[in-house]
Amino acid sequence: EDKVVQSPLSLVVHEGDTVTLNCSYEVTNFRSLLWYKQEKKAPTFLFMLTSSGIEKKSGRLSSILDKKELFSILNITATQTGDSAIYLCAVVRPGSNYKLTFGKGTLLTVNP
Amino acid sequence: SQTIHQWPATLVQPVGSPLSLECTVEGTSNPNLYWYRQAAGRGLQLLFYSVGIGQISSEVPQNLSASRPQDRQFILSSKKLLLSDSGFYLCAWNDGNQPQHFGDGTRLSIL
Repeated sequence: EDKVVQSPLSLVVHEGDTVTLNCSYEVTNFRSLLWYKQEKKAPTFLFMLTSSGIEKKSGRLSSILDKKELFSILNITATQTGDSAIYLCAVVRPGSNYKLTFGKGTLLTVNP
Repeated sequence: SQTIHQWPATLVQPVGSPLSLECTVEGTSNPNLYWYRQAAGRGLQLLFYSVGIGQISSEVPQNLSASRPQDRQFILSSKKLLLSDSGFYLCAWNDGNQPQHFGDGTRLSIL
């Protein structure tokens, strides 16, 4: 059975700090790993990672995948209060119509 | 551009009552559609998915059912709600191998 484990489950930081969120996975025939940000309602898509070692970047957020060690990290630099959210990691199930298996998420709180 | 709509945003229902949550997608045709539930543990659990009209696959045995009467409409239903059906229900869509995009969700409370 596919497994996605995120750590930490929750994290409290101050504005300006840099944070690293972790996602490890066990899945046969890996295809892709996705990161989402969820504030109050809809999770919004951040990154999709398919290849090892290639960093994806969007502003202060970046993510990288290690297919040998089966994990991904999401970095946020110079955090702001607007970064407070649940960050969800998901892997695409093998042989599916892009169905996703999600981790439990990391609740990030950024205090002013 | 594509948009996804879910309603209602919040719903309070008594135990044993029926349920109907609706999701529609605009700006695309023949999308894959998904229903998820997000409980207190925060992970998203896939309940149903559909690759076309009338084609529904269930992921977990439960008190809920889904239907897709039109190409861009996905409905989540129950004949008799249980307390354990409380949660945050999210609809999502995608095309092929693209990332899934989510609606704003329905927060369902069962009393």
